[in-house]
Amino acid sequence: GQQLNQSPQSMFIQEGEDVSMNCTSSSIFNTWLWYKQDPGEGPVLLIALYKAGELTSNGRLTAQFGITRKDSFLNISASIPSDVGIYFCAGRRDQFYFGTGTSLTVIP
Amino acid sequence: DAMVIQNPRYQVTQFGKPVTLSCSQTLNHNVMYWYQQKSSQAPKLLFHYYDKDFNNEADTPDNFQSRRPNTSFCFLDIRSPGLGDAAMYLCATSRKGQGYQPQHFGDGTRLSIL
Repeated sequence: GQQLNQSPQSMFIQEGEDVSMNCTSSSIFNTWLWYKQDPGEGPVLLIALYKAGELTSNGRLTAQFGITRKDSFLNISASIPSDVGIYFCAGRRDQFYFGTGTSLTVIP
Repeated sequence: DAMVIQNPRYQVTQFGKPVTLSCSQTLNHNVMYWYQQKSSQAPKLLFHYYDKDFNNEADTPDNFQSRRPNTSFCFLDIRSPGLGDAAMYLCATSRKGQGYQPQHFGDGTRLSIL
């Protein structure tokens, strides 16, 4: 199946720090999505990107659709404890493909 | 005001005993998906319905079946669950018109096999 490589696999940061994670693929995608999943819950959509080069914000979150259409980035500014969770990227071509996830731990 | 509702949240069944998981949506989306997610892994697509058209992933075991009796409901049937089928099962919906809109997920059903 289609492989989306997400990095880093896990992050441990201090409250207040900024966070960056990315997702790369060998294939082009038409849409990039970023989700957050809390333990025992379903993924919740954070940001959707539809055009190459698009930069979109949602509160403290900012995501970009890479110009090559093969990657995407998510940044979280001034992290807080409730940012803890697993972040998944997803790319859409003929269907949706999920990245391997980034586990974020925020230390108060 | 949950929009994608999965029941039950937790399901325990015996090895080999058929089980059905359900999903309903209030979004009137024309596409419904079933994913399997094991611990610390990404969701894995099992199949999806585009309206009534069923699309099975090549590596989905024959043990897994699905039904979509109407727009709002979709069921996942596991005919003879094995220990390896213990996982979180996620239902998602999206709208396909000129391209796909983002998926919206339910909170999942966690399936345990005794």
